[in-house]
Amino acid sequence: RKEVEQDPGPFNVPEGATVAFNCTYSNSASQSFFWYRQDCRKEPKLLMSVYSSGNEDGRFTAQLNRASQYISLLIRDSKLSDSATYLCVVSTGTASKLTFGTGTRLQVTL
Amino acid sequence: NAGVTQTPKFQVLKTGQSMTLQCAQDMNHEYMSWYRQDPGMGLRLIHYSVGAGITDQGEVPNGYNVSRSTTEDFPLRLLSAAPSQTSVYFCASRSNGQGSHGYTFGSGTRLTVV
Repeated sequence: RKEVEQDPGPFNVPEGATVAFNCTYSNSASQSFFWYRQDCRKEPKLLMSVYSSGNEDGRFTAQLNRASQYISLLIRDSKLSDSATYLCVVSTGTASKLTFGTGTRLQVTL
Repeated sequence: NAGVTQTPKFQVLKTGQSMTLQCAQDMNHEYMSWYRQDPGMGLRLIHYSVGAGITDQGEVPNGYNVSRSTTEDFPLRLLSAAPSQTSVYFCASRSNGQGSHGYTFGSGTRLTVV
């Protein structure tokens, strides 16, 4: 079983739609949680950290359920520019080593 | 402020050749890491460092060496390149006081071993 699992998609949604991505992780000792965004042939960029209380950044909302070892990302009012691969990332250990999911691809269309 | 700089951006090697991928950051970050990204595999940790003079192995260290003589630089050395090392390599860094802030990544090195 992979340490971090995501649905690879692709998710094809029209502009303005709401879309949700889910992710599960297997290491209960994981300490920090993130969503990264990766555009084609580019480096991953931090989208947002994920906190147990849930957090929101504009159109993006992230949730963490430690009991179920489950992370989610909700994107409201999708824009064409949101088209990318979204990586679920979990950090463990004192050196904060990152473990990446394989990513969920989102394609927003007109 | 350049962030994390990786060189070269592209490289083609012959099997058995050695080379060094360079990574430098100007943010005074203590933590630095090297990842490789392959289709369908996600990013995998090769080696990491929590400060100058300290390095450790990640998930896929075989065939690679690292050193951390300064805070700024974290080069990755391929000892004897193999076709299985064809991949995209990313270097990343963060401050040790920013666990919740994630890592900053360089733009990557695309390596092909023939």
